[in-house]
Amino acid sequence: EDQVTQSPEALRLQEGESSSLNCSYTVSGLRGLFWYRQDPGKGPEFLFTLYSAGEEKEKERLKATLTKKESFLHITAPKPEDSATYLCAVQAASGAGSYQLTFGKGTKLSVIP
Amino acid sequence: GAVVSQHPSRVICKSGTSVKIECRSLDFQATTMFWYRQFPKQSLMLMATSNEGSKATYEQGVEKDKFLINHASLTLSTLTVTSAHPEDSSFYICSARVGGGYTFGSGTRLTVV
Repeated sequence: EDQVTQSPEALRLQEGESSSLNCSYTVSGLRGLFWYRQDPGKGPEFLFTLYSAGEEKEKERLKATLTKKESFLHITAPKPEDSATYLCAVQAASGAGSYQLTFGKGTKLSVIP
Repeated sequence: GAVVSQHPSRVICKSGTSVKIECRSLDFQATTMFWYRQFPKQSLMLMATSNEGSKATYEQGVEKDKFLINHASLTLSTLTVTSAHPEDSSFYICSARVGGGYTFGSGTRLTVV
């Protein structure tokens, strides 16, 4: 069974204080690992897809990295508008549910001015 | 980019009544649509996968007679919660496969009183 564990559950940062969010996963062959941002009462907003170990992607203050067991979302010099819940999800490479995503519980990030 | 429009965003209904939630793909054809449920501080849990023109596939533990899914066209999928009860109160989100990724609706907050 595919599993995704995100840590920490919640993270409070001062504006400008860089940090990282962790996503550990167990999947029977990884087709893709996805990062989403979710604001309260909204649907997830796509950030990144990573496909293979060693891959990195960047967007503004965010950088996602991938190993064979985990992914990190690095946030550099965060701003209050980066406050949100960040979700990690994996897609298995094969099987009946190979188009389905398995989500972690998310990390709620609060950036204090 | 690909957009999925979900309505309504909020609905309050009386116990025992039915509620329909619609998801429309605005600028692409959604062959496959996913329906999720999200409880507070919990992960998105996949309820069912629907393919246009065929019966939906429900996840274990999801009552198919209670959560009716119709995917009659390539641009519209609906979820009907029948005989709703307070325990059905949750945040419901649809998602569609687009290219190699997934786009999500904005979610529906259902409150059953």
